[in-house]
Amino acid sequence: DQQVKQNSPSLSVQEGRISILNCDYTNSMFDYFLWYKKYPAEGPTFLISISSIKDKNEDGRFTVFLNKSAKHLSLHIVPSQPGDSAVYFCAASGRNNNDMRFGAGTRLTVKP
Amino acid sequence: EAGVVQSPRYKIIEKKQPVAFWCNPISGHNTLYWYLQNLGQGPELLIRYENEEAVDDSQLPKDRFSAERLKGVDSTLKIQPAELGDSAVYLCASSLLYEQFFGPGTRLTVL
Repeated sequence: DQQVKQNSPSLSVQEGRISILNCDYTNSMFDYFLWYKKYPAEGPTFLISISSIKDKNEDGRFTVFLNKSAKHLSLHIVPSQPGDSAVYFCAASGRNNNDMRFGAGTRLTVKP
Repeated sequence: EAGVVQSPRYKIIEKKQPVAFWCNPISGHNTLYWYLQNLGQGPELLIRYENEEAVDDSQLPKDRFSAERLKGVDSTLKIQPAELGDSAVYLCASSLLYEQFFGPGTRLTVL
């Protein structure tokens, strides 16, 4: 069962523009949401997270939005840079960090 | 601070052979995870340890997979015998709280 879904396998944007990556989940018990970034031949690295008690969290060029009623979260990158080109995974976890589930990933390409 | 260390980085074996992967988590991280990642998919949990105890191994195919975390630090994941479908990247991660830190993974190819 795919409890976390990233429906766009790839996204291409121009340098300097906004990148928006989307993620949907089905399990209403998820309490904490994270975005990971992965370069080739490396493990995923933590990017930004949000608790279910918030609807927005911002860290520099990265902002995550959570819409609990729609069971949807998104990652905004503004402005996008070529170094942001990577695969982005959405992840969700229940309380106490048990059973974290990952989406299939979205490959972002930022063109110079 | 050193990150999560995994070895080997790459492994090629023939089917029915055994294989083992090793992971050294970040110092002080009590929780350790082994994930399987197939091409084009996200990581899928195989087993989660809290110190020495395997608290979630429901997704571990116990007929051929085994894992151990002696002394609550390093961990080893073993497959015996390996099958063609086991070809994938095996990721180890560790955490204190929600944020998990991943190693670079071991890419296994079973011929």
